[in-house]
Amino acid sequence: SQTIHQWPATLVQPVGSPLSLECTVEGTSNPNLYWYRQAAGRGLQLLFYSVGIGQISSEVPQNLSASRPQDRQFILSSKKLLLSDSGFYLCAWSGGSSYNEQFFGPGTRLTVL
Amino acid sequence: RKEVEQDPGPFNVPEGATVAFNCTYSNSASQSFFWYRQDCRKEPKLLMSVYSSGNEDGRFTAQLNRASQYISLLIRDSKLSDSATYLCVVKWTGGFKTIFGAGTRLFVKA
Repeated sequence: SQTIHQWPATLVQPVGSPLSLECTVEGTSNPNLYWYRQAAGRGLQLLFYSVGIGQISSEVPQNLSASRPQDRQFILSSKKLLLSDSGFYLCAWSGGSSYNEQFFGPGTRLTVL
Repeated sequence: RKEVEQDPGPFNVPEGATVAFNCTYSNSASQSFFWYRQDCRKEPKLLMSVYSSGNEDGRFTAQLNRASQYISLLIRDSKLSDSATYLCVVKWTGGFKTIFGAGTRLFVKA
């Protein structure tokens, strides 16, 4: 069965510091991968998606970037965090026999102070 | 107009009640529809896909009305464990764009 991991689970960072969040998927090959952000009390906002290694599409221009160095690894980064970057960051995958449904990792709760 | 709109609630219902949520979407080219459930401070989890003919999974029934561009979720015989936020999700045709509604909060009381 497929599993998706994210780390860290929680993170408190000062404004202006860098960020690196990692997501890995097990049990599937060539998944579509997604990064979402959920601000407190708000809906999910799609940030990036990837259909393959090195292929990244950005949905919302901002100070975040994403990379996919391996088939089942997806990384979300920032060089300088803003207060507005605080939120719940969720990685998701889709593909295989469940092409359309997306399955989420446990998320990273980021607080920028 | 938002691409996917849901009544934010909260809906407060007693155990055993039947509750219905509606969701409207703006893009007529939308292809796939889903309901997710999200518990407090947790990730969303797929509850059920929504098929054109309507579908049922135990106490949960989903309906799609393409002409009016809305989907619905009916929960029968509510349980305390059904308390959560229910997210309406719409996927556009031909791409990976997936739009999540802001969610409807449900509280089931004993």
